[in-house]
Amino acid sequence: DTGVSQDPRHKITKRGQNVTFRCDPISEHNRLYWYRQTLGQGPEFLTYFQNEAQLEKSRLLSDRFSAERPKGSFSTLEIQRTEQGDSAMYLCASYQTGSFGSEQFFGPGTRLTVL
Amino acid sequence: EDQVTQSPEALRLQEGESSSLNCSYTVSGLRGLFWYRQDPGKGPEFLFTLYSAGEEKEKERLKATLTKKESFLHITAPKPEDSATYLCAVQAVTQGGSEKLVFGKGTKLTVNP
Repeated sequence: DTGVSQDPRHKITKRGQNVTFRCDPISEHNRLYWYRQTLGQGPEFLTYFQNEAQLEKSRLLSDRFSAERPKGSFSTLEIQRTEQGDSAMYLCASYQTGSFGSEQFFGPGTRLTVL
Repeated sequence: EDQVTQSPEALRLQEGESSSLNCSYTVSGLRGLFWYRQDPGKGPEFLFTLYSAGEEKEKERLKATLTKKESFLHITAPKPEDSATYLCAVQAVTQGGSEKLVFGKGTKLTVNP
């Protein structure tokens, strides 16, 4: 257990529905990242937050995706009008800038299946 | 463009048969190279960070090394519980000036008893 939790662990939805995932990072970590991982691939960067500010979004993140991190604590990732191509593992990672070592700690992921 | 290539894609070993996994990278300004272990259906688990060429780190049966162009993960006398996908990542600078991890596709290791 890395201390990063994600909910739900699995989500099955029908195409066109909206879904929302939650990530609770390690409490003292100021940075929170979202990654997406498809089968046989490594995780790909989607977006990240420094405290409550969303500082960067990948071009992989279409307009149907939105992320928030209110008060710099937990974060949510919402996908609107889901498509079959959105099926993937969505991973959250947290990181403390300025700390010794710069590793990102990952949560267990949310597996999304779009039917 | 920052890129990480891992080889082989899959590796089958007998218990006790030592081997190495390769990670070659191209990145503008390496800030760190990371090795993670990932079990099926789970998130990546951090193993090592390497920062400069010549650096080595060890943990139990695993040893990671770094050169200017590649990193190796050496597995000595592996056991079946070492079976997992091993991911290599480099810390790269985003367009916004911060850090993100760029991952390879991983090497799936299977250790047979």
